[in-house]
Amino acid sequence: DVQMTQSPSTLSASVGDRVTITCRASQSVSPWLAWYQQKPGRAPKLLIYKASTLESGVPSRFSGSGSGTEFTLTISSLQPEDFATYYCQRYNTPSRTFGQGTEVELK
Amino acid sequence: EVQLVESGGDLVQPGGSLTLSCVASGFIFSDYWMSWVRQAPGQGLQWVANIKPDGSEKNYVDSVKGRFTISRDNADKSLYLQMNSLTADDTAVYYCARDWTDTDSSGRPNDYWGRGSLVTVSS
Repeated sequence: DVQMTQSPSTLSASVGDRVTITCRASQSVSPWLAWYQQKPGRAPKLLIYKASTLESGVPSRFSGSGSGTEFTLTISSLQPEDFATYYCQRYNTPSRTFGQGTEVELK
Repeated sequence: EVQLVESGGDLVQPGGSLTLSCVASGFIFSDYWMSWVRQAPGQGLQWVANIKPDGSEKNYVDSVKGRFTISRDNADKSLYLQMNSLTADDTAVYYCARDWTDTDSSGRPNDYWGRGSLVTVSS
């Protein structure tokens, strides 16, 4: 089965910082890679799909890139409401796999 | 407005069974694959199962194969997850999520989620 590995597991940052999270797949999943944001006690929210397509209503400071087995989520200028946990998900087959998550915390 | 509302979560003893339900509204239910995703306390997301729009294909994560069954009723716009032989490792919030559709070319995966239903397996 395809394994998804995110790094780092935890990221300490300040408001205004540029933040990058990496997701690596054990085999190519292009372009079927999505990113989600989850806040405590809430359901996940789709941010990006097909590796780089921004979901409607998601601020433009979020962007996704990558192909093959390596993908990144970038937040260009971290805002207070962006402190959350982020997950990548591959969906290149009918089954799906999430990465283990990256918690973005206040430095 | 798309809405997904789960129900059926409860406290159940190890070895027991439980069925979760999810009622959908605000979209053409029969056009979409549907998924169940779970999250154990303090842990990450784990995709559990999904089902094709006509119910003809079902996929499961290895850890639930043979114990869980996903099903749907398109007339009632409902998704189900029957869970048998439950263990403590199945304790989690279970989310119903809209999945892929072949009716457009957007390629969006789980774009709408319910609020979740808590399943606790304990004696």
